[in-house]
Amino acid sequence: DTGVSQDPRHKITKRGQNVTFRCDPISEHNRLYWYRQTLGQGPEFLTYFQNEAQLEKSRLLSDRFSAERPKGSFSTLEIQRTEQGDSAMYLCASSLEGGVVETQYFGPGTRLLVL
Amino acid sequence: AQSVAQPEDQVNVAEGNPLTVKCTYSVSGNPYLFWYVQYPNRGLQFLLKYITGDNLVKGSYGFEAEFNKSQTSFHLKKPSALVSDSALYFCAVRGSTLGRLYFGRGTQLTVWP
Repeated sequence: DTGVSQDPRHKITKRGQNVTFRCDPISEHNRLYWYRQTLGQGPEFLTYFQNEAQLEKSRLLSDRFSAERPKGSFSTLEIQRTEQGDSAMYLCASSLEGGVVETQYFGPGTRLLVL
Repeated sequence: AQSVAQPEDQVNVAEGNPLTVKCTYSVSGNPYLFWYVQYPNRGLQFLLKYITGDNLVKGSYGFEAEFNKSQTSFHLKKPSALVSDSALYFCAVRGSTLGRLYFGRGTQLTVWP
């Protein structure tokens, strides 16, 4: 399978714990995005990488959230001191820079439940 | 600022009938518009996009979308619905910088046999 992959697919944690999610983009894609989707809503942008550089962060990305893409390949999203409001589906997407407007391809998501 | 509205939370249609899922947008600059579909517990799957040119865009699985600049709309259509088309559909507009997408709240499409 050459699509975007995410791990884990599901995560249940207790409030206050730290969690880390991983995203592996399509192999030649140099752009990587993180979105968050809550029930009944569309995905909301969190952050964006071009290669290893984090170029944009949403105001939704509080100090408890950090994302990295150390070698311009896979990315991790860490949430520290989780809160119940962090419960959501976390989606990763990747795209290949070029053309007028490239298409973002999404992974299956990581569903987080904070108890 | 960029935004998308999907005025219908739910659309119900009989199999074989045409379907339309509505989307209106607001952008500063050129509108770059997308449709994605989401099946239960799955990520989003790309259907089609409008960049420029022909107002009728054809996409995957027989879907098409009509861009209307004067009405700022980008409605998704299919001439003959299938039960397997039942899913959650999202319209999105690309931001003016750096590629982030702004999504609507989604429309649940149900096609009944």
